[in-house]
Amino acid sequence: GESVGLHLPTLSVQEGDNSIINCAYSNSASDYFIWYKQESGKGPQFIIDIRSNMDKRQGQRVTVLLNKTVKHLSLQIAATQPGDSAVYFCAENRGSQGNLIFGKGTKLSVKP
Amino acid sequence: DAMVIQNPRYQVTQFGKPVTLSCSQTLNHNVMYWYQQKSSQAPKLLFHYYDKDFNNEADTPDNFQSRRPNTSFCFLDIRSPGLGDAAMYLCATSRGRVTSGGIGTQYFGPGTRLTVL
Repeated sequence: GESVGLHLPTLSVQEGDNSIINCAYSNSASDYFIWYKQESGKGPQFIIDIRSNMDKRQGQRVTVLLNKTVKHLSLQIAATQPGDSAVYFCAENRGSQGNLIFGKGTKLSVKP
Repeated sequence: DAMVIQNPRYQVTQFGKPVTLSCSQTLNHNVMYWYQQKSSQAPKLLFHYYDKDFNNEADTPDNFQSRRPNTSFCFLDIRSPGLGDAAMYLCATSRGRVTSGGIGTQYFGPGTRLTVL
């Protein structure tokens, strides 16, 4: 079935290193993607989004890359900080339905 | 400063006893969503309102209902909670539908954690 999934369920990085969180999607009709950060006990927080007519978008310390050929999405966090520790979800929009489909999530742990 | 507010943050109910969770927003957004999130899982959309237009997901049990009396408020009613309904319930809003890119960005509240005894 169609799904949005993540390659790695957990990721542990050293403070100051760069982090890369990956996401695979299977529906080529998806035209909009969002990364959310969810800290323990809180709701998901919008980080960055990208439309399917782009392959890269940068924010503050974060970059999202979209490879439509292989249906792959990644979130890069530069100079990872302890405050970046959270679960990260990618989400895709599948066009006419107007709803977001969330991936399974990756837990990022930052070691001091 | 809170833009999407959920009350209560923690709710305990008994098996089979109806419960209502509330969500309010100060963003004046057109769309309001309810998600269910179980431990270590992704949020799962239950339904959403586009203005007064209710949109139910096909696999949302009839046990879950929603009301949106005005733009600012939206309620989730669980008519007969079962043990399997224990979860975090997230409310989200967006200015428009997700298909429109930026105006479809969803902003989430802090969630209500529901415990069913």
